[in-house]
Amino acid sequence: GAGVSQTPSNKVTEKGKYVELRCDPISGHTALYWYRQSLGQGPEFLIYFQGTGAADDSGLPNDRFFAVRPEGSVSTLKIQRTERGDSAVYLCASSQPRETGELFFGEGSRLTVL
Amino acid sequence: AQTVTQSQPEMSVQEAETVTLSCTYDTSESDYYLFWYKQPPSRQMILVIRQEAYKQQNATENRFSVNFQKAAKSFSLKISDSQLGDAAMYFCAYRIGGAGSYQLTFGKGTKLSVIP
Repeated sequence: GAGVSQTPSNKVTEKGKYVELRCDPISGHTALYWYRQSLGQGPEFLIYFQGTGAADDSGLPNDRFFAVRPEGSVSTLKIQRTERGDSAVYLCASSQPRETGELFFGEGSRLTVL
Repeated sequence: AQTVTQSQPEMSVQEAETVTLSCTYDTSESDYYLFWYKQPPSRQMILVIRQEAYKQQNATENRFSVNFQKAAKSFSLKISDSQLGDAAMYFCAYRIGGAGSYQLTFGKGTKLSVIP
């Protein structure tokens, strides 16, 4: 596609529920990143995919968070047993897999946990 | 661990004037990149300018320029001839160089208002 697409744009859920957030990167970009941006903060790294594999998941806060990219394109961030502290904007970015590759960000998914 | 600090939560500038946003960072690495990103209300992070640490020359992109002071670990952004469309959150970010995960470390941001 023309840019990084994220769905849903906004998601409201109840504490304890399961949530999936989707990211469709720019065509041909093999590198994909998830970031979390809490209110009043800069984005914080969650996970990095190179192709289908998670090359760096050191930013995932706990085992309730999981992300997949089964075919090396679309990625899904999955959050189990959501907590109010999970409320944030979840940003996805993609790039070419080279050192100077610019990150292109989507418009994010705003998650609100009631 | 690398940290990025933006000490100005909010700044304002008169339209057509010049404003400078501050950023300092802490790293023990010698090979790294620094960035300024703009985030309008649409939430999409947009790259404004990039600086490679090995380059002594300050990066410029049209009305945007940086003052990169490597020894002081300072990386400020200057916006000249400010326009209403420049109003946004601005984030300074750091990334280590070399192969591997190209994750960015962001500061907390500076909210820039442009006064007509």
